[in-house]
Amino acid sequence: NAGVTQTPKFQVLKTGQSMTLQCAQDMNHEYMSWYRQDPGMGLRLIHYSVGAGITDQGEVPNGYNVSRSTTEDFPLRLLSAAPSQTSVYFCASSYLQGSTEAFFGQGTRLTVV
Amino acid sequence: QQQVKQSPQSLIVQKGGISIINCAYENTAFDYFPWYQQFPGKGPALLIAIRPDVSEKKEGRFTISFNKSAKQFSLHIMDSQPGDSATYFCAASRRNTPLVFGKGTRLSVIA
Repeated sequence: NAGVTQTPKFQVLKTGQSMTLQCAQDMNHEYMSWYRQDPGMGLRLIHYSVGAGITDQGEVPNGYNVSRSTTEDFPLRLLSAAPSQTSVYFCASSYLQGSTEAFFGQGTRLTVV
Repeated sequence: QQQVKQSPQSLIVQKGGISIINCAYENTAFDYFPWYQQFPGKGPALLIAIRPDVSEKKEGRFTISFNKSAKQFSLHIMDSQPGDSATYFCAASRRNTPLVFGKGTRLSVIA
């Protein structure tokens, strides 16, 4: 039982490049979400999904795209990377949205130069 | 609008002392108040959580105190240890809404 697995752990991108951050969970959780963590800003919600085929925007969705074709996977796409997207990204999953424990991955540290 | 306000931003406590972190929330519909602990290079992990039907919950050295009328809740770490040094996040939510996090408190416990 691996929990929530994120890949890659580290990534350096040039401005304008695109990439996909991968997230997979093996707990059969319906709810998955992406957060970014910046110093002094806490964890800010980017996008979330309440089940396969259903996604919605969080607090800071601009510049990011998501899809949920399976229960297990919830990739985050950066369409055209900008230095402002330099951050640590966390994927989380839980049995339900809100009111239950969220399980986080180890994070992806992204630097955009 | 920041829905969950957390203080202090950083905290230094002597080994064996009590660490206290405070949070205040706006939305009275919130019914779940967890605290997450994050060590460097790791993802946050649930430490302890409380629901508004009780005023206090204790798990080992960690206690949540909850004041519904003041819309505040706090984390108390008794007998703080160097291994407790981490970043702590409070959060709040209700069913079918995403977790909203505070900005975090970096705790350093010094010997």
